[in-house]
Amino acid sequence: SQQGEEDPQALSIQEGENATMNCSYKTSINNLQWYRQNSGRGLVHLILIRSNEREKHSGRLRVTLDTSKKSSSLLITASRAADTASYFCATLSNTGNQFYFGTGTSLTVIP
Amino acid sequence: GAGVSQSPSNKVTEKGKDVELRCDPISGHTALYWYRQSLGQGLEFLIYFQGNSAPDKSGLPSDRFSAERTGGSVSTLTIQRTQQEDSAVYLCASSFGRSYYEQYFGPGTRLTVT
Repeated sequence: SQQGEEDPQALSIQEGENATMNCSYKTSINNLQWYRQNSGRGLVHLILIRSNEREKHSGRLRVTLDTSKKSSSLLITASRAADTASYFCATLSNTGNQFYFGTGTSLTVIP
Repeated sequence: GAGVSQSPSNKVTEKGKDVELRCDPISGHTALYWYRQSLGQGLEFLIYFQGNSAPDKSGLPSDRFSAERTGGSVSTLTIQRTQQEDSAVYLCASSFGRSYYEQYFGPGTRLTVT
């Protein structure tokens, strides 16, 4: 079964607002990655956070990781209409080769 | 440089026919993954290749599914005797390795079984 679960499933905000989406997982992980998927296209890597890291920034993105709660959050600040996409978290377990992707959060940024 | 490419971009086939989906990874990437994405769903892991090691086939849903990777580069995913539930987008991704590396995804092949 898939390990990652994103929440909320869908999010609609006004341009300029911040968007926060969460990811929960089940087992011990090596690292957690966030990806973005525009409609009908492949996924694009956004950011990777290792299991021994708690927070990471990249441009307007901020990712946190709480291994005790087995959860991560992705914050997009000052959102733009171009941020409209689906966002997925992916976890790599400490054992095995599988990356588990969640079902994604569909973000709509209204201009 | 060139990204991951997949062909065909779209494939419509009749139930019971076999199909082959192709993935050309980024040159130099030793790891290659196949995933399946059904409409509105997340990605389902299918198979993982790493260098010359035996592939991890643990995600293949049935023995109708198989994959090869020739010369550590191009990979082919074969689905025999296709069923309607096989309809999905099949995504290929490559990376420099397993652990702390991002995956680069191809655009996918949309398979429709009628």
